[in-house]
Amino acid sequence: DQQVKQNSPSLSVQEGRISILNCDYTNSMFDYFLWYKKYPAEGPTFLISISSIKDKNEDGRFTVFLNKSAKHLSLHIVPSQPGDSAVYFCAARNTGNQFYFGTGTSLTVIP
Amino acid sequence: NAGVTQTPKFRVLKTGQSMTLLCAQDMNHEYMYWYRQDPGMGLRLIHYSVGEGTTAKGEVPDGYNVSRLKKQNFLLGLESAAPSQTSVYFCASSYSPLTYNEQFFGPGTRLTVL
Repeated sequence: DQQVKQNSPSLSVQEGRISILNCDYTNSMFDYFLWYKKYPAEGPTFLISISSIKDKNEDGRFTVFLNKSAKHLSLHIVPSQPGDSAVYFCAARNTGNQFYFGTGTSLTVIP
Repeated sequence: NAGVTQTPKFRVLKTGQSMTLLCAQDMNHEYMYWYRQDPGMGLRLIHYSVGEGTTAKGEVPDGYNVSRLKKQNFLLGLESAAPSQTSVYFCASSYSPLTYNEQFFGPGTRLTVL
C-alpha cells in the first residue's frame, strides 16, 4: 500500500503565480520529509526538506509546510517560473533510513 | 566531483538474460540505494546498503540481488530478466542518518526486457 501519496498527477500555473503541490502520508513514524524535482531523462534532485519537529521551512521561492495531525505536507513555489516546470516528488523517511516516494506531480508553468 | 554515476544508461535484454547495473559515488557516502521508477508508481526501493559489505531488502527486492564490496560502488544484478523488470533504475547515496540528509541520485538506467 502506498505510504506516500500525491493525488494530483499534474498542475498548470501561470508564470508569477503561486504553485501549491500536495502530499499525504500514512505512517506517523516518518521523521523527515523531502521534495525532489525531476527533469526528463535525469535523476531527481533535492529541493527542500523539513523535519517532523517543524511545521515550516523556507528556502528562497520554495516553502514546505508540514501538518502532522493531518499527515499532510505541501510545497509552495512563489513566484512560479517556467524553469520550475518539472515532475515533483515528495518523499518521507522512516527511522530505518528508508525513503518512500509519492507518484509525482507534473508541474507546468505557463509563460 | 562526478557525484553519482550509473552504467549503462540504456540496455535491452531478452527474457532470461542476466545483467549487472553499476552505481558509483565519489562523495564518501555511507548509504546507497537502488530504486525503480514505473509509470504511476513513483520510485520504489529495491535494495539498499548502510555501509561497505552490507545489504538489505527494500519494498520490491524479488528478482534482484545486490553487492557492496567497495564503499563507493553498489551493484544491482538481475539473474534472469523478466518483462516485469522493464523500468528506469535509479541509484542514490546519502550520508548517515544521524543528521537530516538528502539523497543524491544518478541519472538513471533505462532497461527494457523483451
